[in-house]
Order: sequence, then C-alpha cells, then structure tokens
Amino acid sequence: RKEVEQDPGPFNVPEGATVAFNCTYSNSASQSFFWYRQDCRKEPKLLMSVYSSGNEDGRFTAQLNRASQYISLLIRDSKLSDSATYLCVVNSATSGTYKYIFGTGTRLKVLA
Amino acid sequence: NAGVTQTPKFRVLKTGQSMTLLCAQDMNHEYMYWYRQDPGMGLRLIHYSVGEGTTAKGEVPDGYNVSRLKKQNFLLGLESAAPSQTSVYFCASSYSTSSDTQYFGPGTRLTVL
Repeated sequence: RKEVEQDPGPFNVPEGATVAFNCTYSNSASQSFFWYRQDCRKEPKLLMSVYSSGNEDGRFTAQLNRASQYISLLIRDSKLSDSATYLCVVNSATSGTYKYIFGTGTRLKVLA
Repeated sequence: NAGVTQTPKFRVLKTGQSMTLLCAQDMNHEYMYWYRQDPGMGLRLIHYSVGEGTTAKGEVPDGYNVSRLKKQNFLLGLESAAPSQTSVYFCASSYSTSSDTQYFGPGTRLTVL
C-alpha cells in the first residue's frame, strides 16, 4: 500500500459545481498535512495547510479525519482557473528524520 | 524577491555525460530539497539539506550527488547520466521541516538519450 494515495482523476466538473477530493495516508503517526496545487508544466504551490479542526480559505475547505486516516479538499463554486492537479502532502517526520510524502495528485478540469 | 530559481530550465544529455543543476533561493531558508517528478508518481525526494555544509539522502539518492557550500545555493550533480534519470527536477526550500511551506523552483526538464 502506498503511504499516500489519491484518486488520479480527472474530475471533470462544470463551472459553479462543488467538488471534493480525498487523500488517504497509511502512517497513523503523521503529524502535518497539506494541499498543494500544480498547474500543467509548473511547480507545485501551497494551497493550504490542513488543521485538525478543519480550515477554510474562501471557496476551499480542508478537513482531517485522523480516525480514518484521510484528508479532504472541498472546492465550492468551481472556476475555470481551478483546473489543475491537487497534490496531497503528508509529513511523517520524526526527530532527526525527514519524511514529507507527496501523493501523485488528483487532476481537476473545470468546464465552461 | 526572486524566490527559488533553477538553472538550466531544459537540458538534453547523452548517456554517460555529467551535469550540475543549480538551485538558488533568496529567502534565507535553512532547508533545501531536490525532488524528481515522473508521470504517475508523486514527487520523490532525492537529497536534502538542513543547513549550509550539510546534506542527507532522500528516497531516491542513487546516481546523484549534492553540495551546499553556501546557504542560498544547493547543487545537484549527475556524474554519469542514465536514461532512467530523464525527469523533471524541482528544487524547493523551506524555513524548517516541520509545518512550514515548501517553496518550489520552476523545474528543470532533463532528457537523457
């Protein structure tokens, strides 16, 4: 089983739709979680961190479910500009080590 | 601020040739990373550095070497390129490895023939 798993998609949604992605992780000791966005042929950029209590940034909501070991990203009122690949990132580092694991990404296409 | 820059942007090598990829950051970050990204696979860490003069192996270090002689620069070397090293290489930096954002450079597209 991969340490971080995402549905690769693509998710094709019309403008204005609400879409949600999940990401599962295998290490229950994982400490921090992030969503990055990557546009085609560009570098990844942080979209938002994921906090235990859940957090929202405009049209984007991120949630963490430690019991079931997954994080989610909800996008409301989708825009054409939201078309991108969304990478789930899990930090499982322990003292003195580095373990920042990227998922393979979920591709979103927002259609006019 | 330029953020994180990488040179070159594109390169084509023949098997067995060597090259160095340069990463530079102007954010005074302590931590720097080299990743490779291949189709169908997540970003995989090659090597990283937690400060000037220090380096450590990541998930896929074989065939690569790195150096961090200056805080702002992190070099990735391929001594004898192989077709399996055809990939997109991203450099990133962060203030720390805990919960800090990683800032990525624009990437280097390397093809090894």
